[in-house]
Amino acid sequence: EPEVTQTPSHQVTQMGQEVILRCVPISNHLYFYWYRQILGQKVEFLVSFYNNEISEKSEIFDDQFSVERPDGSNFTLKIRSTKLEDSAMYFCASSEGTGATDTQYFGPGTRLTVL
Amino acid sequence: AQTVTQSQPEMSVQEAETVTLSCTYDTSESDYYLFWYKQPPSRQMILVIRQEAYKQQNATENRFSVNFQKAAKSFSLKISDSQLGDAAMYFCAYRSARNGNKLVFGAGTILRVKS
Repeated sequence: EPEVTQTPSHQVTQMGQEVILRCVPISNHLYFYWYRQILGQKVEFLVSFYNNEISEKSEIFDDQFSVERPDGSNFTLKIRSTKLEDSAMYFCASSEGTGATDTQYFGPGTRLTVL
Repeated sequence: AQTVTQSQPEMSVQEAETVTLSCTYDTSESDYYLFWYKQPPSRQMILVIRQEAYKQQNATENRFSVNFQKAAKSFSLKISDSQLGDAAMYFCAYRSARNGNKLVFGAGTILRVKS
């Protein structure tokens, strides 16, 4: 069964550094998402992406964040200058559509640790 | 804004018995979808079951069923004949049918299955 994959599984970085988290969505999916989960807190929506544009973003997704689909398979989340509070598990998801039966399929996550 | 509340941080069930996980939500919308996702340890979230708000009939998927009470804004998950493989974190989630595609998650319930 097709799966969403994410790399790396764990990223450690210094505060102020840029990080890029990578995702390979399921190949025939058109909608892509990033969520994050700070340890001990809820999974929170960051951004959705469709047709090479951001379709929705949360208040968390400020100018420090950007997303890109650089080629036909990858979907990336870039954090320009990481802060301690960016430490979290970041989940990528994809879906074929947005209807009632369109499931968002999640990747295993990237654990980001900012020191 | 929509919110999802899971009031049980942790639940335990004996193998082969039945357990019910609670979820309540708050929304002013009439058209939406509700989901239960399962996240086994160190694995990605997978969809267990979904419910469309316009459907009165409760969704069922094999041993998993929901009790959807729209007026009470309640969406509980019942797991029958619990198996060791059911042990996981379970997340309840809400998605609007008309205003964006983001999932709004509850805090999760850890389910432990005893043999």
